[in-house]
Amino acid sequence: NAGVTQTPKFRVLKTGQSMTLLCAQDMNHEYMYWYRQDPGMGLRLIHYSVGEGTTAKGEVPDGYNVSRLKKQNFLLGLESAAPSQTSVYFCATTLLGSYNEQFFGPGTRLTVL
Amino acid sequence: GENVEQHPSTLSVQEGDSAVIKCTYSDSASNYFPWYKQELGKGPQLIIDIRSNVGEKKDQRIAVTLNKTAKHFSLHITETQPEDSAVYFCAASGGSYIPTFGRGTSLIVHP
Repeated sequence: NAGVTQTPKFRVLKTGQSMTLLCAQDMNHEYMYWYRQDPGMGLRLIHYSVGEGTTAKGEVPDGYNVSRLKKQNFLLGLESAAPSQTSVYFCATTLLGSYNEQFFGPGTRLTVL
Repeated sequence: GENVEQHPSTLSVQEGDSAVIKCTYSDSASNYFPWYKQELGKGPQLIIDIRSNVGEKKDQRIAVTLNKTAKHFSLHITETQPEDSAVYFCAASGGSYIPTFGRGTSLIVHP
């Protein structure tokens, strides 16, 4: 029972390159979220999903796209990376929604040069 | 939308002292208030939560209090230990399933 896993753990990109971050969960949770964490800014929501095949924008969606083709996976894509996207990215899941604990992955540290 | 303010941003205490972190929220519809602890290099993990029909909740050395009238809630850690050193986040959520997080408090416990 791995919980929430994220791939990769670290990545360095050059400006303009693209990449996909993968979040996988084996807890059968409906809701999945992508956050970015920057010093002094807390956790800011990028995109979220309330079920397979659904996605919605969060607080800071610009420059990112997401897909939830399978219930257990939530992908975060950067089409053309910018230095402002240097951050630590966390995936989280919840079973039902707002009245339940969020389970976070270990994070992906992304540096865009 | 919801706005959560968290203070202080940094808190330094001596081992054995108590630590208090305070949060305020703006949306009176919020009714779930979790606290997360994030250790260095890891993702946040829930340590305690409280719902709006409860004023206080305790779990060993940690407790959370909620004042719905004033729209604020606090985390209390007693008899702090070096392993309590971490970043702590408060959050609030209500009718939507999207929690709003505070900006975090870096707690440093000096041995």
